[in-house]
Amino acid sequence: SYELTQPLSVSVALGQTASITCGGDNIRNKNVHWFRQRPGQAPALVIYRETKRPSGVPERFSGSISVNTATLTISTAQAGDEADYYCQVWDGSTADVVFGGGTKLTVL
Amino acid sequence: QVQLQQWGAGLLKPSETLSLTCAVYGGSFRGYFWNWIRQAPGKGLEWIGEISQSGSTNYSPSLKGRVTMSLDSSKNQFSLSLTSVTAADTAIYYCARGHVSFGDPFDYWGLGTLVTVSS
Repeated sequence: SYELTQPLSVSVALGQTASITCGGDNIRNKNVHWFRQRPGQAPALVIYRETKRPSGVPERFSGSISVNTATLTISTAQAGDEADYYCQVWDGSTADVVFGGGTKLTVL
Repeated sequence: QVQLQQWGAGLLKPSETLSLTCAVYGGSFRGYFWNWIRQAPGKGLEWIGEISQSGSTNYSPSLKGRVTMSLDSSKNQFSLSLTSVTAADTAIYYCARGHVSFGDPFDYWGLGTLVTVSS
């Protein structure tokens, strides 16, 4: 089955740039979406189809992709960005949704 | 602004059937796919399945056989039924919009319902 690999945790200094990776075999061939989940809240979409931002999501959030890695970049990190971040794809071979294990972002 | 409001029984005994409903407000119900996703305590996200406005479904292979999704277009509502629950089904259950099998994202989510399975 298809797997997505995320680091368990990422730390970033206030005002600096954080990058969260999502590794998967030939992930570039899939539609990759990113969700932010603040403590006690439902997940919320922050990037869809690798690079697109939903309305209302700050320009500080951006996405990129290479052959085997999708990356969520958060520039000028704020305390309110502390959350768990999940990547997600559809695996057509198994007809199933695959989520990464999630990355806890800490803003120092 | 699309809002998803969900409800259902929060405490079940093993072998019982989980039933949850999600109502859609503020947007079109038709033309979209509707999903259930769950999250065990302290764990990651797990997709359960999707249903179209015409009633066609896709279920996660890991839960297929125990899951049934249905909808009531007249009320802009869709529902989840999960049979023979065990402690492993204890989780927060979310409803969400998105034609995920087409590569679309989950763009709107409900607030979640905690379901606990305990004898």
